[in-house]
Amino acid sequence: PLVESGGGLVQPGGSLRLSCVGSGFTFSSYWMIWVRQAPGKGLEWVANIKEDGSEKYYVDSVKGRFTIFRDNSKNSLYLQMNSLRAEDTAVYFCARGIWGLPLTSTWGQGTLVIVSS
Amino acid sequence: EIVLTQSPGTLSLSPGERATLSCRASQSISSSYLAWFQQKPDQSPRLLIYGASSRATGIPDRFSGSASGTDFTLTISRLEPEDFAVYYCQQYGSSPGTFGGGTKVEI
Repeated sequence: PLVESGGGLVQPGGSLRLSCVGSGFTFSSYWMIWVRQAPGKGLEWVANIKEDGSEKYYVDSVKGRFTIFRDNSKNSLYLQMNSLRAEDTAVYFCARGIWGLPLTSTWGQGTLVIVSS
Repeated sequence: EIVLTQSPGTLSLSPGERATLSCRASQSISSSYLAWFQQKPDQSPRLLIYGASSRATGIPDRFSGSASGTDFTLTISRLEPEDFAVYYCQQYGSSPGTFGGGTKVEI
């Protein structure tokens, strides 16, 4: 499974770091992905990172503000979120890829981030 | 960025009926790397279809996917009560991936 943590209430302009711990599989062998869902809205791909961390991709709306990284020795994925905006309010899911692809085959339960003053 | 457009936004059907959901890509998707997900309220999405037409493990055969160029279709042959949910298409062939806006299948 995948277990996210780190969500909470933060003021606009603030920072937050999300974590996702994977277990039951060889973490270092899979692409990992962050996906978010604003309240009552659809799914939005946020960022993905290759197995060894050598490639990272971001949706345009978070480029320069969010950083995805991983620590394979700790079976952990992270999302460092800076300069947060109200529109970043969402449930953030981490997901695991499969077959060497960033296909979101397995999902965590999500962690809620609320950006508000 | 590949934009995925899903239609219709809402599909109102009854149990036992056939559901046809569409997803159109703004450009070609490499190797048909198109997936479909089901999401129920307060749950994480569940993978149904990958590679445009392959069912994921444990997915009933009433769910099927097809492709024609940049047009993709998810078909539910006979709706069961548990199939009423929101469905999303996703492309994962070009990073970052993208999702369609979703189709809600309601009773």
